[in-house]
Amino acid sequence: GAGVSQSPSNKVTEKGKDVELRCDPISGHTALYWYRQSLGQGLEFLIYFQGNSAPDKSGLPSDRFSAERTGGSVSTLTIQRTQQEDSAVYLCASSRQGKSYEQYFGPGTRLTVT
Amino acid sequence: DQQVKQNSPSLSVQEGRISILNCDYTNSMFDYFLWYKKYPAEGPTFLISISSIKDKNEDGRFTVFLNKSAKHLSLHIVPSQPGDSAVYFCAASGTSNTGKLIFGQGTTLQVKP
Repeated sequence: GAGVSQSPSNKVTEKGKDVELRCDPISGHTALYWYRQSLGQGLEFLIYFQGNSAPDKSGLPSDRFSAERTGGSVSTLTIQRTQQEDSAVYLCASSRQGKSYEQYFGPGTRLTVT
Repeated sequence: DQQVKQNSPSLSVQEGRISILNCDYTNSMFDYFLWYKKYPAEGPTFLISISSIKDKNEDGRFTVFLNKSAKHLSLHIVPSQPGDSAVYFCAASGTSNTGKLIFGQGTTLQVKP
């Protein structure tokens, strides 16, 4: 079946511009996660959606970052007024109900802020 | 404050030999540990996991060992194959089955033919 898909695969933007990153999770997966990986670093948790519950936003680094999940499926991560330190690979993952540890990742969006 | 650490950025082994990847953690409240494998330009893929109530979990060529007193876990790959060459991430999860994972920095494994 289809895996997690993310778009765009690459995004180059100028400092100060807003960007939107999209994630399509695996059909039927109830949980969706956003992580980012900066150069030479591990994956850093950003935000987590589970069903209709309020999202866990504890990993968002600043109020310039926000995310929404529409209809319990597609998610969009928005970064406003991008800064150079936002440059990273942004990864989305999804998981089945009761299997939150087994997360299926998309290929990521490489964001470069110039 | 890095709660999950992989102190070896890289490891090189010969095909057929054992690969041992190590991971240390600081938070004794973690209740689940996982290993993910990542190829270039792809997202990480789940490899194997272990609950904090166990000390060993085996799946084919992959075995994860957990030493809670030392706050240390390791992944053994036997025998290593060239296709195992990838970045391996250790991850840990807290309580309440939230799925929020804390990742280490990764170890790049190279298996030489």
